[in-house]
Amino acid sequence: GENVEQHPSTLSVQEGDSAVIKCTYSDSASNYFPWYKQELGKRPQLIIDIRSNVGEKKDQRIAVTLNKTAKHFSLHITETQPEDSAVYFCAATFYGGSQGNLIFGKGTKLSVKP
Amino acid sequence: AAGVIQSPRHLIKEKRETATLKCYPIPRHDTVYWYQQGPGQDPQFLISFYEKMQSDKGSIPDRFSAQQFSDYHSELNMSSLELGDSALYFCASSPRSGGRTDTQYFGPGTRLTVL
Repeated sequence: GENVEQHPSTLSVQEGDSAVIKCTYSDSASNYFPWYKQELGKRPQLIIDIRSNVGEKKDQRIAVTLNKTAKHFSLHITETQPEDSAVYFCAATFYGGSQGNLIFGKGTKLSVKP
Repeated sequence: AAGVIQSPRHLIKEKRETATLKCYPIPRHDTVYWYQQGPGQDPQFLISFYEKMQSDKGSIPDRFSAQQFSDYHSELNMSSLELGDSALYFCASSPRSGGRTDTQYFGPGTRLTVL
């Protein structure tokens, strides 16, 4: 089955700096890679996603890149703000037929210091 | 916009008791996923339903069962509760278009505490 590894487990940056979180996946059949932000005790919230037919996607300060050959994808947050502080999870899945359950990485706790 | 609704939001049970968690998906979403998240851990997939049929099964204990009803809401039934079942339980819903499932939207979760 799919296995997703996420690094680093914790990340501390100064406000205004960039943050990068990296994930690798094992199943080459995976074709959908979402990123979720989760604040303590709250629901995971989708912040950006990418499908395997796209190499890069950007939404304001957030971007995701996907390297299918190397089976890794990364989240880039620019101009970080204190409200970006949260746990970020990457996930992977194969969408097709009856499947689609997300396999999550272990999470990255991002702290943005003012 | 309407979101996924889960009830109850908090639940406290004793060991060996039973619990029922409910999930109401976003309107016109026909696929429901259940995830369990322990403290400091990532969400773990339990089970999913599409059009009222079980579509995939993950690390769900035999003590747990679930179903999706005709109005697409889903219930997770948990019996013989153990201390280790204490966790956040999330339901997520997605629309299925052309045989391909789309983005999953998570509900607020049910925090289950087993004493």
